[in-house]
Amino acid sequence: GQNIDQPTEMTATEGAIVQINCTYQTSGFNGLFWYQQHAGEAPTFLSYNVLDGLEEKGRFSSFLSRSKGYSYLLLKELQMKDSASYLCARGGYQKVTFGIGTKLQVIP
Amino acid sequence: DGGITQSPKYLFRKEGQNVTLSCEQNLNHDAMYWYRQDPGQGLRLIYYSQIVNDFQKGDIAEGYSVSREKKESFPLTVTSAQKNPTAFYLCASSSTGLNTEAFFGQGTRLTVV
Repeated sequence: GQNIDQPTEMTATEGAIVQINCTYQTSGFNGLFWYQQHAGEAPTFLSYNVLDGLEEKGRFSSFLSRSKGYSYLLLKELQMKDSASYLCARGGYQKVTFGIGTKLQVIP
Repeated sequence: DGGITQSPKYLFRKEGQNVTLSCEQNLNHDAMYWYRQDPGQGLRLIYYSQIVNDFQKGDIAEGYSVSREKKESFPLTVTSAQKNPTAFYLCASSSTGLNTEAFFGQGTRLTVV
C-alpha cells in the first residue's frame, strides 16, 4: 500500500542490535509510525517521527529522513520477548497506511 | 481502565450470512478505524470515522458497512457481498485524527465456512 517497503523477515541474536529499515512514498507525507505486533495480538505503538533525526526511547530508537523517504527502527540489547512483527506506517492526508511488517526472530 | 474493546475474539459464520463486529472505546477519542489484516499483508483500512454520524471509506470498503451513532462505538458489518471475509479484523481509535497515535483493540478473527 502506497509503496511502503520493509523487509519481510529478519533474525538477530539476543543481546545484539538490529536495524529495521522502511522506505515510503514521500508525496503527501505527514509522519512515520512504528508499531510492534506479537502474533495474534493487536499492534502497540512504539514511535512517531515527523521531523528528521533520531528519536530515542530506551532500547528502541527511530530515525527519519524526509528527503530520502526513509526511516529505521533500531532495537538495542535484544531480548527474546522482542520477537514480533514491526510495522512501519506512513501518515498521509486523512489516513495512515501500513507496510506489511517485518517479522523479527530473536535467537539465543 | 480506559481502553478499546473488540468482541468477540473469535467468530465463525456460514457463507452468505452478514455478521457484525463490535468495537467500543472509553478513551474519549474522536476518530475510530477498522483495519483488515491478512497473512503476508499489512493492515488495510476498511472504514474510518472522525466524528459521530460521519464516516469515510478506506481502501477496501466494498462488502463492508459501518455506523457511528455514538462516539464510543463503531461497529463493522461484514456483508455477504464481501468475497473473501475470513481475516483478522482490528479496530483502532485516536484522539484528534488519523495522524496521531492509534490504540488498537485485541482484534476479531473471523472465519467464514
